[in-house]
Amino acid sequence: DTGVSQNPRHKITKRGQNVTFRCDPISEHNRLYWYRQTLGQGPEFLTYFQNEAQLEKSRLLSDRFSAERPKGSFSTLEIQRTEQGDSAMYLCASSLLQGFQETQYFGPGTRLLVL
Amino acid sequence: AQTVTQSQPEMSVQEAETVTLSCTYDTSESDYYLFWYKQPPSRQMILVIRQEAYKQQNATENRFSVNFQKAAKSFSLKISDSQLGDAAMYFCAYRSALRNSGNTPLVFGKGTRLSVIA
Repeated sequence: DTGVSQNPRHKITKRGQNVTFRCDPISEHNRLYWYRQTLGQGPEFLTYFQNEAQLEKSRLLSDRFSAERPKGSFSTLEIQRTEQGDSAMYLCASSLLQGFQETQYFGPGTRLLVL
Repeated sequence: AQTVTQSQPEMSVQEAETVTLSCTYDTSESDYYLFWYKQPPSRQMILVIRQEAYKQQNATENRFSVNFQKAAKSFSLKISDSQLGDAAMYFCAYRSALRNSGNTPLVFGKGTRLSVIA
């Protein structure tokens, strides 16, 4: 068990470019979450998957954002036409839903800077 | 919607002393979970301690313990015998019980930055 991993760890891009982040959850975890954390704030929920199904998207997730989790394993988060306001840390978390018990384990995050 | 408030943006403690971080939350639900997460500088967030709302007994994990006051909607974290490695951002988080909702994202406070003075 190597924990949740995220790539890349840092990304600098120019406004208007597309970026894609990857999250590899802890193996056998059936739930995967994406959060966004801006400076001085706590993480905010963006979207989550149970296995391969995307079950909910926050209103924070504009049409420029899309997430996938093919085959219920790793997940990608794509931001199209990036804006300076997209600059943030993007956190991924995974969990194993067992009955009503669930604890989310976080990855190290991808820090995005949009110039 | 649930909200979590951490009223102390920054705290400091002398090494080996005890410090308490405050957290209050607002919810109309009776069944939920509360968490404290630690986020060291440039490192990933890790779970410190969790509390089930239906349990009256306060959770403890080694030097970390909570004071859970359900009626007051308060969930403070006490760190005993503080160590230099405890320096980090601490986030309080709330999650609805799965009985209430299939969606269980965490709702976080803004965090408290803890400094440990040698």
